[in-house]
Amino acid sequence: DAGITQSPRHKVTETGTPVTLRCHQTENHRYMYWYRQDPGHGLRLIHYSYGVKDTDKGEVSDGYSVSRSKTEDFLLTLESATSSQTSVYFCAISEQGTGANVLTFGAGSRLTVL
Amino acid sequence: AQSVTQLDSHVSVSEGTPVLLRCNYSSSYSPSLFWYVQHPNKGLQLLLKYTSAATLVKGINGFEAEFKKSETSFHLTKPSAHMSDAAEYFCVVSGGGTYKYIFGTGTRLKVLA
Repeated sequence: DAGITQSPRHKVTETGTPVTLRCHQTENHRYMYWYRQDPGHGLRLIHYSYGVKDTDKGEVSDGYSVSRSKTEDFLLTLESATSSQTSVYFCAISEQGTGANVLTFGAGSRLTVL
Repeated sequence: AQSVTQLDSHVSVSEGTPVLLRCNYSSSYSPSLFWYVQHPNKGLQLLLKYTSAATLVKGINGFEAEFKKSETSFHLTKPSAHMSDAAEYFCVVSGGGTYKYIFGTGTRLKVLA
């Protein structure tokens, strides 16, 4: 998956517990994104980053926070997981954020909240 | 604001027959448009992209798409379906100085033997 690693790939957790998903890239791309994929909804943007310590909200950001302390790492945290956050989470990177640049995706992280 | 609508949630074709997956977009700016494919339990792979060059865009695995501004469409086609084309396909719009890529809800393609 072109220099993008997501971890963990699978996680089962209980309601109310904190969860952190990690996205690591070796491409030195400036832009990083977290999406969630749910049946019937396609992919929806949670948060994105346009540089170290520069992040912004997407369309479904409630209940999620992110951090980017290094170019290569973008962390997604669920402070208190809920069953509605059961989903497949994809990290993506883009060299530039002009919209003409291709998004490259990681393999995904499947999260189940019981 | 930008949006994208995939007109069919499911499409079934017989192997060897043409494929048409429909996508309409809305954008206040000159858009960039993409098609991605996702095979079962896999990540997303870029099929092709349009970024204001030629309106007929050729992608991988024999797929192509035509940008029609008058119809605000970017339909994906392939002359002859193969069993390996069975997957989910996503139309994506971006552009206008935004960092955001907006996904359609996906079209699941089934290829019948």
